[in-house]
Amino acid sequence: GAGVSQSPSNKVTEKGKDVELRCDPISGHTALYWYRQRLGQGLEFLIYFQGNSAPDKSGLPSDRFSAERTGESVSTLTIQRTQQEDSAVYLCASSLGPGSAGELFFGEGSRLTVL
Amino acid sequence: GQNIDQPTEMTATEGAIVQINCTYQTSGFNGLFWYQQHAGEAPTFLSYNVLDGLEEKGRFSSFLSRSKGYSYLLLKELQMKDSASYLCAVRDEANQAGTALIFGKGTTLSVSS
Repeated sequence: GAGVSQSPSNKVTEKGKDVELRCDPISGHTALYWYRQRLGQGLEFLIYFQGNSAPDKSGLPSDRFSAERTGESVSTLTIQRTQQEDSAVYLCASSLGPGSAGELFFGEGSRLTVL
Repeated sequence: GQNIDQPTEMTATEGAIVQINCTYQTSGFNGLFWYQQHAGEAPTFLSYNVLDGLEEKGRFSSFLSRSKGYSYLLLKELQMKDSASYLCAVRDEANQAGTALIFGKGTTLSVSS
């Protein structure tokens, strides 16, 4: 697609429910990132996919968080048993990956509110 | 470990020049980025430095000193629309899996008339 697409744009859920967030990167971009941004805060790195390499999961805050990516396309971020502290905007970004300047192109984000 | 520091807030007036500083300590280094983020919007790319020196792009310039672990973003002829958060980000090549970009907490710039 023309840009990074994320869905849903807004999600309100109850504490304890599972949520799934989706990201469609720019076609041809081999690198895909998930970041979390709490209100008024900076971007917190969660997970990074690069081609067929093992993902860098070092930023995932707990085992309730997981992410998958199908080849070099769509990625889903899953949060199990959501907590109020999970409320944030979840931003996905893609880039051309190693060998390029690595400029990240961000989606509009998925705003998650846990009641 | 990784640490990226930048001031939390800055204020300036229209037409002025402002410099936003960023210092970093990372295990490796393969480039520093500046992004602009307006409230409620996604970050957008401003500049990229991998070698020491100044990169100029219109009203915006970015400087890097790798030996000092230091960068700044210079904004000239400030306009009201420049009110936004400015994010400094470093690509840390020490990560075996690839080149994840690590962001600072951002500097909120308020431009007044």
